[in-house]
Amino acid sequence: DVKVTQSSRYLVKRTGEKVFLECVQDMDHENMFWYRQDPGLGLRLIYFSYDVKMKEKGDIPEGYSVSREKKERFSLILESASTNQTSMYLCASSRQGTETQYFGPGTRLLVL
Amino acid sequence: DAKTTQPPSMDCAEGRAANLPCNHSTISGNEYVYWYRQIHSQGPQYIIHGLKNNETNEMASLIITEDRKSSTLILPHATLRDTAVYYCIVRGSIQGAQKLVFGQGTRLTINP
Repeated sequence: DVKVTQSSRYLVKRTGEKVFLECVQDMDHENMFWYRQDPGLGLRLIYFSYDVKMKEKGDIPEGYSVSREKKERFSLILESASTNQTSMYLCASSRQGTETQYFGPGTRLLVL
Repeated sequence: DAKTTQPPSMDCAEGRAANLPCNHSTISGNEYVYWYRQIHSQGPQYIIHGLKNNETNEMASLIITEDRKSSTLILPHATLRDTAVYYCIVRGSIQGAQKLVFGQGTRLTINP
């Protein structure tokens, strides 16, 4: 069974803190994605990666960075968290050349 | 990316077939129709996808019109656990990876 896991389901941080969100997939997928989901705005792509050490900006990369040192792990970093980064963060992965994305359970981040 | 239009909400009785429509009149010839769903507070879950032929898997059936401008997702025997937001998506592509663009979806409620 395919599995994407995220390090935390719920997270509370303070403004200015550095935040790490971790995502791990066990399907040997080449592509990994970070989205955020907000009410009324749907799903928005932050960053994605199609190979180890490769990364590409999505639609809303400002305020975020990513790291992909190993194929199975894709980390999202908020260098200095702000209240407008309060959101549900979703990680997904897919096999190269296929369209189906498998999502993790999500991390609900609250920045105070 | 082709835009999709779905009804904001639908109700269905438990045990009956749930038919969820989607319009995608600007779809191009090489774009697939995908369906995902999202149960409350969970990550999205892939259901099914198709190009021009009807498709069926263990979860659902997908009926695509001949002109490909609309499609219907069918859950043949809906259960309470099928209550979720259902997203109809037309594939978007960035280089080697595939961005998903979610619209507002249809909130399906299965009633006992």
